[in-house]
Amino acid sequence: GAVVSQHPSWVICKSGTSVKIECRSLDFQATTMFWYRQFPKQSLMLMATSNEGSKATYEQGVEKDKFLINHASLTLSTLTVTSAHPEDSSFYICSCGRTYEQYFGPGTRLTVT
Amino acid sequence: KQEVTQIPAALSVPEGENLVLNCSFTDSAIYNLQWFRQDPGKGLTSLLLIQSSQREQTSGRLNASLDKSSGRSTLYIAASQPGDSATYLCAVGQNTPLVFGKGTRLSVIA
Repeated sequence: GAVVSQHPSWVICKSGTSVKIECRSLDFQATTMFWYRQFPKQSLMLMATSNEGSKATYEQGVEKDKFLINHASLTLSTLTVTSAHPEDSSFYICSCGRTYEQYFGPGTRLTVT
Repeated sequence: KQEVTQIPAALSVPEGENLVLNCSFTDSAIYNLQWFRQDPGKGLTSLLLIQSSQREQTSGRLNASLDKSSGRSTLYIAASQPGDSATYLCAVGQNTPLVFGKGTRLSVIA
């Protein structure tokens, strides 16, 4: 399967600061990438769909001005959590889509103090 | 709106036992169904992918079945080992992106 990386793997930041998370597809061109969020003992919830060269599509209830997504190339999508608050602490996972199948990154653990 | 439910939420078994994890979904118009494994604090590892036209897939000690009409899938693990301890997630694809269940936390006791 395809290889997807995320950076950083974990990050701790202070409330009010912004954090950028990178998602890279290492061995194929991904026109579409997905960002998920997972709270402890909960399921993965889709936040947004990132399309190369166009604006991301956000799921209902996800603030697009708070979670900025940029998909500037076929191998890189970034998620920036702006003005982070403790309730944004979560596990963020990206995936790259192929027909009927997605390949997931290893995730980024964000802790906002 | 598609909803995916996994039962049980947690399961503890002694090493060597065969076990079954259950997944149900409300909308049967799916493209595929995937089973993933997630270790604590880690990302997802894809275990098995079943296309909507298929009824089952096998990989080693794992066997996944799909019954679209009843909206159910099962993941069968044979001869469980302590290394199988993890959370197992079921996800259905009607298009991308996938809709996930909350998972079953499996503990295999040596």
